[in-house]
Amino acid sequence: AQTIHQWPVAEIKAVGSPLSLGCTIKGKSSPNLYWYWQATGGTLQQLFYSITVGQVESVVQLNLSASRPKDDQFILSTEKLLLSHSGFYLCAWSLRGDEQYFGPGTRLTVL
Amino acid sequence: QQKVQQSPESLTVSEGAMASLNCTFSDGTSDNFRWYRQHSGKGLEMLVSIFSDGEKEEGRFTAHLNRASLHVSLHIREPQPSDSAVYLCAVNTGGLSGKLTFGEGTQVTVIS
Repeated sequence: AQTIHQWPVAEIKAVGSPLSLGCTIKGKSSPNLYWYWQATGGTLQQLFYSITVGQVESVVQLNLSASRPKDDQFILSTEKLLLSHSGFYLCAWSLRGDEQYFGPGTRLTVL
Repeated sequence: QQKVQQSPESLTVSEGAMASLNCTFSDGTSDNFRWYRQHSGKGLEMLVSIFSDGEKEEGRFTAHLNRASLHVSLHIREPQPSDSAVYLCAVNTGGLSGKLTFGEGTQVTVIS
């Protein structure tokens, strides 16, 4: 069975500090991968998607970047956090744009 | 650009009564329409995905799609307190890339 794991579960960071959030999917070969962000009380927005290793498309510009170094791994990062980056980050996978299955999420608080 | 709006913002229902949620969208040519739910601080759980006009049932959850009226609804049969969550409508606007556009959600509270 496929599993999706996100790390860390929660993070508290200072403004201007770097960030790296990770997501791994086990049990599926060559999935589409997605990063979503949800500001507190806000609407869920897709940030990035990746159809294959090494290729990432940006959907919304938030001064974040994403990379897919391995087939089963998706990384979200920035070198300098902003207060506006606070929120809930969700990773998801699908097979060729079909139903998307979401991970448990990472709660980020920027102070 | 696809716009997705949900109503009501919040809904309180008694255990065992039917709960009905609504979602309107601006572009009826999208591939498919989905309902997810999110318990507080958790990830999203997929409930129903519907592609064609009409009805689709998954357990106690039934979605109705009417592309002509740009409307998709979700009905929860015999809701239980554990069904209390935010319910999100999502429209697939990205084809193979799978871009989903979400509504703002409906907070459902089920009371005993």
